[in-house]
Amino acid sequence: GQNIDQPTEMTATEGAIVQINCTYQTSGFNGLFWYQQHAGEAPTFLSYNVLDGLEEKGRFSSFLSRSKGYSYLLLKELQMKDSASYLCAVMDSNYQLIWGAGTKLIIKP
Amino acid sequence: GAVVSQHPSRVICKSGTSVKIECRSLDFQATTMFWYRQFPKKSLMLMATSNEGSKATYEQGVEKDKFLINHASLTLSTLTVTSAHPEDSSFYICSARSAGVEYEQYFGPGTRLTVT
Repeated sequence: GQNIDQPTEMTATEGAIVQINCTYQTSGFNGLFWYQQHAGEAPTFLSYNVLDGLEEKGRFSSFLSRSKGYSYLLLKELQMKDSASYLCAVMDSNYQLIWGAGTKLIIKP
Repeated sequence: GAVVSQHPSRVICKSGTSVKIECRSLDFQATTMFWYRQFPKKSLMLMATSNEGSKATYEQGVEKDKFLINHASLTLSTLTVTSAHPEDSSFYICSARSAGVEYEQYFGPGTRLTVT
């Protein structure tokens, strides 16, 4: 079966760095996505990785290792507004997104 | 960037009535639209995939006769929840993508449905 695993909840301090991990097992692979979702809102796109390595975009970076079925989202210089759920999703061979359950990130002052 | 709208953003209806939710791509042609529902503190659950001009493909466990999906044009898809019950209360989100760009999917803002 297809499976995406990520931690349920994480807590970090404002100004610090946090890494959210995601492991996956899917039927085929056409890229891995990270989305941010604030409570009561739709997901917003953060990053897309299809090749191995690190993609940096401002305070957010995303890493992918296809051989290990592993990705992480790195958030630097955390701000209170970064408190949200972070969803890992993999696009399978049918170009369908398989979603993880999301990681709720709590930022403390 | 591409914009997808949903209407209404919130709706409250009585048990037994039907509710229609619209999803529109505002600045691109959406050959494929997806409908998701999300329960509190849970991830998105794909309900169905619709391609313009053809019947929607429903995920296992999703009742076709209860959740009617129409994708009549390249910019509009509708989800009708028929004979709604309290257990249908949820957050419904649509997303859309255009032909040839399979990895880009744009989400609507979601519709909060409450059935009393």
